[in-house]
Amino acid sequence: NAGVTQTPKFQVLKTGQSMTLQCAQDMNHNSMYWYRQDPGMGLRLIYYSASEGTTDKGEVPNGYNVSRLNKREFSLRLESAAPSQTSVYFCASSVDRGPDEQYFGPGTRLTVT
Amino acid sequence: KNQVEQSPQSLIILEGKNCTLQCNYTVSPFSNLRWYKQDTGRGPVSLTIMTFSENTKSNGRYTATLDADTKQSSLHITASQLSDSASYICVVSDSSASKIIFGSGTRLSIRP
Repeated sequence: NAGVTQTPKFQVLKTGQSMTLQCAQDMNHNSMYWYRQDPGMGLRLIYYSASEGTTDKGEVPNGYNVSRLNKREFSLRLESAAPSQTSVYFCASSVDRGPDEQYFGPGTRLTVT
Repeated sequence: KNQVEQSPQSLIILEGKNCTLQCNYTVSPFSNLRWYKQDTGRGPVSLTIMTFSENTKSNGRYTATLDADTKQSSLHITASQLSDSASYICVVSDSSASKIIFGSGTRLSIRP
């Protein structure tokens, strides 16, 4: 039981390049989330998917898109990376949207130069 | 505005000593409060959860308290160990579950 997995662990992009961060969970959870974590700030929600087939914007969605490919997988795409998107990105999942415990992946450290 | 503020920002203590981390919140209406532990380079892991009616919850050497009237919570760590070195994050959910607010964390370092 791997829990929540993310790929890649590290990535360096040049401004304007695009990339997709991958996330998968094997706990049969309905809800999945993408967060970014910046120094001195709490985790901020980018997008979430309350259930398969639905996605909604979080607190900081600009510059990102998401796809809930199936119940297991939730990807985050940066279409045209900017230095302001340099951050650590965490994927999480929970049984349902709401106060349920969220299980986090190990994170992807992204640097945009 | 919904906010979660933690103090101190960072703390260094000697192995074996106790410490207490603080969390103040303004999230309303309140549903529950969680404390997460985040080791360096890893994702956060839940330690405790408390709802409105609970005022204390323990998980081994970790004890969380909640005062819903003053909107304050604390996490007490007893007999600290080197493995307790991590960031501790307070997370508050509102009752509609539409808002989950993360504090910026307290970075705890345990020195031998």
